[in-house]
Amino acid sequence: ILNVEQSPQSLHVQEGDSTNFTCSFPSSNFYALHWYRWETAKSPEALFVMTLNGDEKKKGRISATLNTKEGYSYLYIKGSQPEDSATYLCASPGSNDYKLSFGAGTTVTVRA
Amino acid sequence: DSGVTQTPKHLITATGQRVTLRCSPRSGDLSVYWYQQSLDQGLQFLIQYYNGEERAKGNILERFSAQQFPDLHSELNLSSLELGDSALYFCASSPSPSYNSPLHFGNGTRLTVT
Repeated sequence: ILNVEQSPQSLHVQEGDSTNFTCSFPSSNFYALHWYRWETAKSPEALFVMTLNGDEKKKGRISATLNTKEGYSYLYIKGSQPEDSATYLCASPGSNDYKLSFGAGTTVTVRA
Repeated sequence: DSGVTQTPKHLITATGQRVTLRCSPRSGDLSVYWYQQSLDQGLQFLIQYYNGEERAKGNILERFSAQQFPDLHSELNLSSLELGDSALYFCASSPSPSYNSPLHFGNGTRLTVT
């Protein structure tokens, strides 16, 4: 089981502000990095799957970058809106199978 | 709506009992995964099936078993239930068992063991 860590555990953002948070994973034997958004009372929803060092993905106001050499990924939210309030999970497989190890998540609360 | 259907949504049962959780994957997805989320813990991988065959196993207890049927739906069987088995159980699916395919999660089954 891979050790995937996320920081901070939670953060509060004022509506309109931008924010970012981190997912750390072992840099050796990297295969892929997944980001999911999990809103309260819903199921986790896939945001991005990244596989290449230097990858950048964007979906609306949310974007992510990947550094496989140093073992981290950043998720950015630009101009945060109340609907961005959710727990953001990252996950990575420790090998080329599908045993995805999830981080504990970063819970984002956007205040109007 | 992810297209993944899990039933039941809630289940309350007593210690020592056996329950079955059911999952229908998204149309066209051949791979099914089961995850457990206990209180104060992240999502823990239990088991994966692809087109009816077991492909990967996580820290799944011997009291737990699963299978994927020819119509691709999957069932997770939990027996000799203990209080610590209370958790939210998610099923997810993907088109293939590739690590770069995103997972599509169902809404989960919340199991409470009393």
